[in-house]
Amino acid sequence: AQKITQTQPGMFVQEKEAVTLDCTYDTSDQSYGLFWYKQPSSGEMIFLIYQGSYDEQNATEGRYSLNFQKARKSANLVISASQLGDSAMYFCAMRNWGSNYKLTFGKGTLLTVNP
Amino acid sequence: EAGVVQSPRYKIIEKKQPVAFWCNPISGHNTLYWYRQNLGQGPELLIRYENEEAVDDSQLPKDRFSAERLKGVDSTLKIQPAELGDSAVYLCASSVYRGQREGHTGELFFGEGSRLTVL
Repeated sequence: AQKITQTQPGMFVQEKEAVTLDCTYDTSDQSYGLFWYKQPSSGEMIFLIYQGSYDEQNATEGRYSLNFQKARKSANLVISASQLGDSAMYFCAMRNWGSNYKLTFGKGTLLTVNP
Repeated sequence: EAGVVQSPRYKIIEKKQPVAFWCNPISGHNTLYWYRQNLGQGPELLIRYENEEAVDDSQLPKDRFSAERLKGVDSTLKIQPAELGDSAVYLCASSVYRGQREGHTGELFFGEGSRLTVL
């Protein structure tokens, strides 16, 4: 069974600083994908970034980067130059390509960006 | 391109009443998902469709929940009768399945959700 763990219920960061949101995962599959989603207070889930298990380089999308450490089974999200609009819930999720296509989510981290 | 559309956005009902949620996925997306998100938690999968076939409904409480995706396009999720513990946000999502290909992330696109309150 696949499992996602986000150990930080809440995080605070000053505007313009960088912040790392932690995510560890557990799976017996060799082929999988890791996702990060943002959920503002309005409720919609916004896709941010993806990392495939066979990708050799860490994924980057604008101010978002994914620190992928396969041996440690971690996929931390790094947000650089935080903005007030980054305040939201952030969810790490995983999909096993080899067995099923179910996307399993962690419990999330509430990020608050302070001015 | 229109996103995933869900209705209603909000619904308040008394326990034991029925309720239904509707979802129209992004055009051309063959996979459709219903997730339930309890307050302060991550979404949990209820059911996944590939076209009109329910390929994963292991988490759907079948005694009171039902879903359908006629013609493999829009979908309806029903709860009858509703219980207090069903209060949650019901999220619909869709994606395109292209198999395992380089560059294909298969990310899910979510609707805004339907917030259910059972009194």
